[in-house]
Amino acid sequence: DAGVTQSPTHLIKTRGQQVTLRCSPKSGHDTVSWYQQALGQGPQFIFQYYEEEERQRGNFPDRFSGHQFPNYSSELNVNALLLGDSALYLCASSLVGAGEQYFGPGTRLTVT
Amino acid sequence: AQTVTQSQPEMSVQEAETVTLSCTYDTSENNYYLFWYKQPPSRQMILVIRQEAYKQQNATENRFSVNFQKAAKSFSLKISDSQLGDTAMYFCAFMIYSGAGSYQLTFGKGTKLSVIP
Repeated sequence: DAGVTQSPTHLIKTRGQQVTLRCSPKSGHDTVSWYQQALGQGPQFIFQYYEEEERQRGNFPDRFSGHQFPNYSSELNVNALLLGDSALYLCASSLVGAGEQYFGPGTRLTVT
Repeated sequence: AQTVTQSQPEMSVQEAETVTLSCTYDTSENNYYLFWYKQPPSRQMILVIRQEAYKQQNATENRFSVNFQKAAKSFSLKISDSQLGDTAMYFCAFMIYSGAGSYQLTFGKGTKLSVIP
């Protein structure tokens, strides 16, 4: 049973560029949440997708957008990258109505 | 807004000993979950244990147990018989829950635990 997978593992981008991160949820899960984890900090909630719609959003600017596909996989897009966007981006999946969220290994984004 | 506070940035424990990590939270909600997650250097966030706020009984998972004090809004993690593989960052997390589904996790800043041989 595959767990949550994310791609790519690492990514280096330049300020002003755009980036797309991808996530496949754990088998049987239908809800995907994205978190940003700055170095030395706890993860911060970006948004959550269910039934291909953004259901909840944290305190992040509109430069951060996402999408969920019919197979429940998800993408996180960040436009006009800033140095401060450098972080570990974590995807978590869950089943609607259940409490636990299961995390993927993350994508390390470095903005230079 | 919900907040989670972990007041111990770093802790260490001898192998085979017991250690307790502290967590307090602030919320006006009555229906919620609390979690402890472990993040080893490999950075994969692993669920250690969960506690539903409506349950009075403290959760236990093998060597891991919690002390949940709802009135005090306290949720500590006890690790018994510490092992070298327990070395990791430990995050306390809070989630408001409703019948419509689970929502966002709010995390503390973490406690770095080192198990010493």
